[in-house]
Amino acid sequence: EVQLVESGGGLVQPGGSLRLSCAASGFTFSSYWMYWVRQAPGKGLVWVSRINSDGSTTGYADSVKGRFTISRDNAKNTLYLQMNSLRAEDTAVYYCATELVNTPCDYWGQGTLVTVSS
Amino acid sequence: QSVLTQPPSASGTPGQRVTISCSGSSSNFRSNYVYWYQQLPGTAPKLLIHRNSQRPSGVPDRFSGSKSGASASLAISGLRSEDEADYYCAAWDDSLYVFGTGTTVTVL
Repeated sequence: EVQLVESGGGLVQPGGSLRLSCAASGFTFSSYWMYWVRQAPGKGLVWVSRINSDGSTTGYADSVKGRFTISRDNAKNTLYLQMNSLRAEDTAVYYCATELVNTPCDYWGQGTLVTVSS
Repeated sequence: QSVLTQPPSASGTPGQRVTISCSGSSSNFRSNYVYWYQQLPGTAPKLLIHRNSQRPSGVPDRFSGSKSGASASLAISGLRSEDEADYYCAAWDDSLYVFGTGTTVTVL
């Protein structure tokens, strides 16, 4: 069974940093693209970033480019999102998701809440 | 950046058929697959339809997707109370994955 468990969310001040983690199990993590998607309170889904299986190729939404960095540790079956220079508008639930069957975001974690506020 | 526009809301009574539209502003939308996700209240999204019209294993055949040109649609036949949720379309626009604005389906 595919399982994705996000962690690392919390309250951070504007301009601060936070690193999210996503622990994966139930599939061969090192073989698949992975994604981060966020959802601000009461709002819709927004794609944030993606990374290929060996970490050599990444992509970012314009709103986070230059501030967020996606990475992965295939030995630990873990996906990361390093978030710097955080802004109030980054407040959201952050989900990690897989691409197991050539379909973006075919499996999702339960999400972790990031709140940027002073 | 591409925008995928959905109606904010849709509703129907149990047993009815409800259709949700998804219109793309980018020329890429015409040539790329559309995906649909369901988000039940308080839960993570779930893949509902992939490659315009394909249902993953476990998704009831009451859900169907279609695409023609710059428009796509999701149909829910035989509406049930458990279908009350938010629904999002999504598609690739070059290297950006774009979600639609979302539609809340209410079962009256």
